[in-house]
Order: sequence, then structure tokens, then C-alpha cells
Amino acid sequence: QVQLVDSGGGVVQPGRSLRLSCAASGFTFSNYGMHWVRQAPGKGLEWVAVIWYDGSDKYYADSVKGRFTISRDNSKNTLYLQMNTLRAEDTAVYYCAREGADYVFDFWGQGTLVTVSS
Amino acid sequence: QPVLTQSPSASASLGASVNLTCTLSSGHSRYLIAWHQHQPEKGPRYLMKLKSDGSHDKGDGIPDRFSGSSSGAERYLTISSLQSEDEADYYCQTWGAGSWVFGGGTKLTVL
Repeated sequence: QVQLVDSGGGVVQPGRSLRLSCAASGFTFSNYGMHWVRQAPGKGLEWVAVIWYDGSDKYYADSVKGRFTISRDNSKNTLYLQMNTLRAEDTAVYYCAREGADYVFDFWGQGTLVTVSS
Repeated sequence: QPVLTQSPSASASLGASVNLTCTLSSGHSRYLIAWHQHQPEKGPRYLMKLKSDGSHDKGDGIPDRFSGSSSGAERYLTISSLQSEDEADYYCQTWGAGSWVFGGGTKLTVL
């Protein structure tokens, strides 16, 4: 069965960096585009970034453009999110999600909490 | 890019039915959307994708109690025979202009 396991969250000071990981199993990882989505405390879901199935293209939300980098290692079935110059407003639970047909998210990870605080 | 509008809250009694609505912005009434359920302390769960003609494809293991329909720019999620575990936030989602978009979510309370 499809599984996405998010990890790497924690407490970090403003301006510092953190890298999240999403370990995928139960499907051919290299065939699918993958996303990061976040949810700030008390807020709704916000799309963060996408990477094409082969890593050839990437897009970002304006709120993270220039600070976050999405990447993947298809040999390890793992998705990453490198987060630099973190701000308090980046505090959120971060979820990885698989993109199915018609641009919808058809499987989700369980999430990992990132807290940016001094 | 499309904007999705949802009512912030809804409520219905145990065993009853409820309709949740997601409204697409002007000029985007033919867009496909997806519905996702988000229970507390869990990752979201994909429920279904829903086209403008009302046809829908559900995710793995989604009960028959969940169904979708469409009318113009409105996309509906109907949950029948409500159970306590249906209490959750429900989000609609779509794509446009290189960006993925969510509605603000509807918090469903089962009374």
C-alpha cells in the first residue's frame, strides 16, 4: 500500500535552516510528481512546492520562493524540502503529497511539525 | 488562477446527511476539484475528484456514504449516514496557472 512518511521537523531559530524528508513506499516513486503542503496553526492548507517526477521542473508558492528548495532522490524513494532563512510565519505542519491524475493530491504523509521561534 | 470558496463551518446530527459546498471563482466554473478530509492529528485523506459534469472518482477505500455532485461553479460533497468519525475539516483543491489551490476549509461538527 502507498505510504508517505514525513520527518525532519523540529524547533529552529529565525534565520536558520532545516531539511524535511518524505520517505515513499508502495508505488513507483519515480513515476509521480510530488508536493509539499503546509498548515499553520489555526489556518487552512497551503500549497508550498512541487517537483516533477524526474526532478526536471520545480515550482514554488510566492511565500517561500527563493528560500525553500524542493528536491528528490529517486534511487532512495525520498522527497526533500530544504528550508533556509526561516521565519516565524513558516511555523506549520508540513505534509508531503503525491500528485495523481488531473493535478490532485491522491496520497498524503502524516506531517512533521516545524516551529520557528527564538 | 482559480479561487475556491467554502463556508467555514457546518453541522449535522449523527445518522443524518450533510452537503458541503465549494464554489469556483468566475471564469473557472468548468474546473475539476478534489475533496480532502482532514481529521485532527492526522494527515489529510483524499476523498474524490469531481468534474463539472458531476462525475467523480473516489480514492481507495472511501465509503459509499461519500458522494459528489456539481452545478455550475458549485462543487458539492455529500456525506450520508453521518458517523462521529466524519467530524473533521474538509478542503476542496484544484490547479491553475502553475499553482495548486485550496479552499479555506469547512469544519464539520457531528451533533
